[in-house]
Amino acid sequence: EVQLVESGGVVVQPGGSLRLSCAASGFTFDDYTMHWVRQAPGKGLEWVSLISWDGGSTYYADSVKGRFTISRDNSKNSLYLQMNSLRTEDTALYYCAKAPPRSYYSFDYWGQGTLVTVSS
Amino acid sequence: QSALTQPPSASGSPGQSVTISCTGTSSDVGGYNYVSWYQQHPGKAPKLMIYEVSKRPSGVPDRFSGSKSGNTASLTVSGLQAEDEADYYCSSYAGSNNFVFGTGTKVTVL
Repeated sequence: EVQLVESGGVVVQPGGSLRLSCAASGFTFDDYTMHWVRQAPGKGLEWVSLISWDGGSTYYADSVKGRFTISRDNSKNSLYLQMNSLRTEDTALYYCAKAPPRSYYSFDYWGQGTLVTVSS
Repeated sequence: QSALTQPPSASGSPGQSVTISCTGTSSDVGGYNYVSWYQQHPGKAPKLMIYEVSKRPSGVPDRFSGSKSGNTASLTVSGLQAEDEADYYCSSYAGSNNFVFGTGTKVTVL
């Protein structure tokens, strides 16, 4: 059974930093592209970032480019999101999501999310 | 990248059908056959219902179907059931390794 478990969400002040983690199990982690997607309270979904199976390619939404860094450790079956220069508008539930086999154009499994609150 | 446009709400009685639209541009929905749909119950993570416009993942009932015409994609839920009441989001590849989601539609089963 595929499982994705996010952690690391806390309350942080504007301008602060935070690292989110996602522990994966139930599938061969290093075979798949992984994504981060976020959802502000009461709002819709927003794609944040993706990383290729080997970590060699990373891409970001314009809203986080230059502030967030996605990474992975395939030896630990883990995905990360380093978040710097946080803004109040980054407040959201952050989901890690797995891409399907042989594709990265959708999100076939999601974690339960970890809540990041940016507030003074 | 602007969000794809979905109607805020849709409804139907049990057994009826409901169709949700998802309108984008030629740079996203119209330009690629990479539209997917997600169901989200309150307090839960999204669940993939349709990918690549019309493909259903294993385990998703065949009551759910997807299609696309031009810059607009659609999700149809046939034979509505109480458990179909949820928020639904479309998503599309938008080129240059970017993705965009729809604004979301709340489906109510009357």
